[in-house]
Amino acid sequence: KNEVEQSPQNLTAQEGEFITINCSYSVGISALHWLQQHPGGGIVSLFMLSSGKKKHGRLIATINIQEKHSSLHITASHPRDSAVYICAVWTKSSGDKLTFGTGTRLAVRP
Amino acid sequence: DTEVTQTPKHLVMGMTNKKSLKCEQHMGHRAMYWYKQKAKKPPELMFVYSYEKLSINESVPSRFSPECPNSSLLNLHLHALQPEDSALYLCASSLLGRGHPGNTIYFGEGSWLTVV
Repeated sequence: KNEVEQSPQNLTAQEGEFITINCSYSVGISALHWLQQHPGGGIVSLFMLSSGKKKHGRLIATINIQEKHSSLHITASHPRDSAVYICAVWTKSSGDKLTFGTGTRLAVRP
Repeated sequence: DTEVTQTPKHLVMGMTNKKSLKCEQHMGHRAMYWYKQKAKKPPELMFVYSYEKLSINESVPSRFSPECPNSSLLNLHLHALQPEDSALYLCASSLLGRGHPGNTIYFGEGSWLTVV
């Protein structure tokens, strides 16, 4: 079993829909990243969380440390949001290493 | 400047060639990373440099040789690669080499490597 699990693995939405991607982890963490990767390859860090909730534009990320769970929400989704979204955690025991989830492939149709 | 710059963007090399991938950041970050990513898989950590010293080598074959000439530069020297080494190679950097609130990791656009 992976230390970081994401769901769903694939998601197709219509433009304008509210989207939620979930991340559960089984280890102690010091912080969690939500990352976005477009087909061109580059990865962008959307959020880094250690507690609570963060919002940036149409994106909202929440984390519940007790339940070891984080969610990424996209409001009013747009085709340009189509990408792979990856949850990654700094585990307390791993020092310099991020542990990645397997990613959620999102396609937003116009 | 919040960029990690990688060159080249695309590289095709033969199995007997020697080539290098380069990575540069000017954010004052003291941790730099090389990741390998195959299609539809998450990135896999290869190497971590912390304060210009190699701190993690994830049992990477010796045909991959990292180098950190100074705090802004990270190289990956490639020699005698195999076709299965074809992948996207991502460089990343962060202020610190460990998990810490605020220690955001920044990735480059990657170098697409094809070994023929």
